[in-house]
Amino acid sequence: EVQLQQSGPEVGRPGSSVKISCKASGYTFTDYVMNWVKQSPGQGLEWIGWIDPEYGSTDYAEKFKKKATLTADTSSSTAYIQLSSLTSEDTATYFCARGSSSYIDYWGQGVMVTVSS
Amino acid sequence: IQLTQSPSLLSASVGDRVTLSCKGSQNINNYLAWYQQKLGEAPKLLIYNTNSLQTGIPSRFSGSGSGTDYTLTISSLQPEDVATYFCYQYNNGWTFGGGTKLELK
Repeated sequence: EVQLQQSGPEVGRPGSSVKISCKASGYTFTDYVMNWVKQSPGQGLEWIGWIDPEYGSTDYAEKFKKKATLTADTSSSTAYIQLSSLTSEDTATYFCARGSSSYIDYWGQGVMVTVSS
Repeated sequence: IQLTQSPSLLSASVGDRVTLSCKGSQNINNYLAWYQQKLGEAPKLLIYNTNSLQTGIPSRFSGSGSGTDYTLTISSLQPEDVATYFCYQYNNGWTFGGGTKLELK
């Protein structure tokens, strides 16, 4: 069974950074890309980017190129997203989501990030 | 590619046939998926490549379309179908539609 287990909720101060993890199980981690998706409170979904864990290659939506950094640790089958220079606009739920032939097929449970002083 | 979903809110009765629309700003070439998101949960894949039903999804869900216009149909609405539905294109970059919230009348 494919599972994507994300880390717990985060609170970050304005200007700081947070790093969220997503541990994959039930499949070969390097066979699929990992996407990250943002959902602001009461809003829709925004694609942030993806990482190919096998090669470490990444692609980002233009809006998130200076905001998010995607990494992956193949030894632990874990993907990470780091969000930098936090502002109130970054308060949202962040999902990791496995990519299969370009579409997303499985999602993590989501992590709430709250930016607050 | 921008995706526009309509309507943004849809009220329907149990047993109704429900149709949700997703329109792209450019040709999507059938690289379109649909997701269902219930309150407080992660989205779930329903349909990929326009009309392929994901394993385990009830057959009352179906997808169709071509070019820029795509549709998700629920043939007979069930109470557990109350959710927000998002379309997602992966033909040129990756973008989501704004969602259609489906509620019971």
